[in-house]
Amino acid sequence: RKEVEQDPGPFNVPEGATVAFNCTYSNSASQSFFWYRQDCRKEPKLLMSVYSSGNEDGRFTAQLNRASQYISLLIRDSKLSDSATYLCALSGGAAGNKLTFGGGTRVLVKP
Amino acid sequence: EPEVTQTPSHQVTQMGQEVILRCVPISNHLYFYWYRQILGQKVEFLVSFYNNEISEKSEIFDDQFSVERPDGSNFTLKIRSTKLEDSAMYFCASSPGQDYGYTFGSGTRLTVV
Repeated sequence: RKEVEQDPGPFNVPEGATVAFNCTYSNSASQSFFWYRQDCRKEPKLLMSVYSSGNEDGRFTAQLNRASQYISLLIRDSKLSDSATYLCALSGGAAGNKLTFGGGTRVLVKP
Repeated sequence: EPEVTQTPSHQVTQMGQEVILRCVPISNHLYFYWYRQILGQKVEFLVSFYNNEISEKSEIFDDQFSVERPDGSNFTLKIRSTKLEDSAMYFCASSPGQDYGYTFGSGTRLTVV
């Protein structure tokens, strides 16, 4: 099993719709979890941290399921500007303190 | 909003040459990182730096690579004897602590010809 795994997509989403996708991880000792957004040929930008109790930031909701070892990101009322690749990242445990990234899930929001 | 600054934005070098990629992390951050991303692939960890020394490094970060913090602001990645497969986007990042997300610079696109 890969250390951090994501469905590469693309997820084709009508504008205004809701989209959700997961990121699975193999190291049960992982402690910190994040979602990043990466536009084509640009740097990853921190979207949100993922807390055990789940957290929301506007139209974005992140959740952590430690038992099944995955995190999720849900985007409500999708905008054209949400089109990007969404990277999950985690740290802690045997992987050390560095962030390890998944390969990303591409989301395309269409009018 | 504080930024991580990287220079140059694009560097073309001949195979076998040495390159130095430069980064200015956010001033009150304590942890510094280099990552690379080969076109179409995932963001890969190279090295982390804390308290003026390497704290972790990946298998990619072999003797060909070195990092320095020559003064209080710059953080550099040196790649000796570049190879074609070193062509990638190199991102510098910094964070205020171990459990915080990182802020990335806009990257240096390295092309080895």
